[in-house]
Amino acid sequence: KAGVTQTPRYLIKTRGQQVTLSCSPISGHRSVSWYQQTPGQGLQFLFEYFSETQRNKGNFPGRFSGRQFSNSRSEMNVSTLELGDSALYLCASSTRDRAHNEQFFGPGTRLTVL
Amino acid sequence: LAKTTQPISMDSYEGQEVNITCSHNNIATNDYITWYQQFPSQGPRFIIQGYKTKVTNEVASLFIPADRKSSTLSLPRVSLSDTAVYYCLVGDPVMDSNYQLIWGAGTKLIIKP
Repeated sequence: KAGVTQTPRYLIKTRGQQVTLSCSPISGHRSVSWYQQTPGQGLQFLFEYFSETQRNKGNFPGRFSGRQFSNSRSEMNVSTLELGDSALYLCASSTRDRAHNEQFFGPGTRLTVL
Repeated sequence: LAKTTQPISMDSYEGQEVNITCSHNNIATNDYITWYQQFPSQGPRFIIQGYKTKVTNEVASLFIPADRKSSTLSLPRVSLSDTAVYYCLVGDPVMDSNYQLIWGAGTKLIIKP
């Protein structure tokens, strides 16, 4: 099976702009979660989508939003970018099945806000 | 919401067995214990998951005492490539919507030649 793919891998934006990141989960996985990772804050959960519905949400401002499509692909959007949004954004997919519930992470999108 | 406590960092040498302990005093009945490994600039990778006693796979073992208030990840005969950050997560990965919320800082393991 192909792994989790994320596009783009690298992105440079300026403050005030918006950005959309894309994640394609492993085939058959209906759960897609997004994380932000920075050196100072570690790995922080943004939100999870399961069968096109937001199932859980972390403690991030409303500038961070996401959605999931019927084919389980997910997008994450950040509006009005701030310098502090510079981070590695990771996407993970899972079956959310009790027998096989590990999360499979993509390579991440490195976002730099100037 | 279960919270975990791990050592910030550990050092060891190639060929040694490394044990990383995670404390989770408030673990709930339906909670599982899951360990992930992360290399720099990569996403975390699942290592092992368990509920009680001992679980072993091709890369690690997970020891969980009867009270389940702690767990120990054991890496046999480590090599330089095992240098990474190791995260312990506790929760019900199916039902617990808070399962993914708290990853903590993890344990930075450095293997020396």
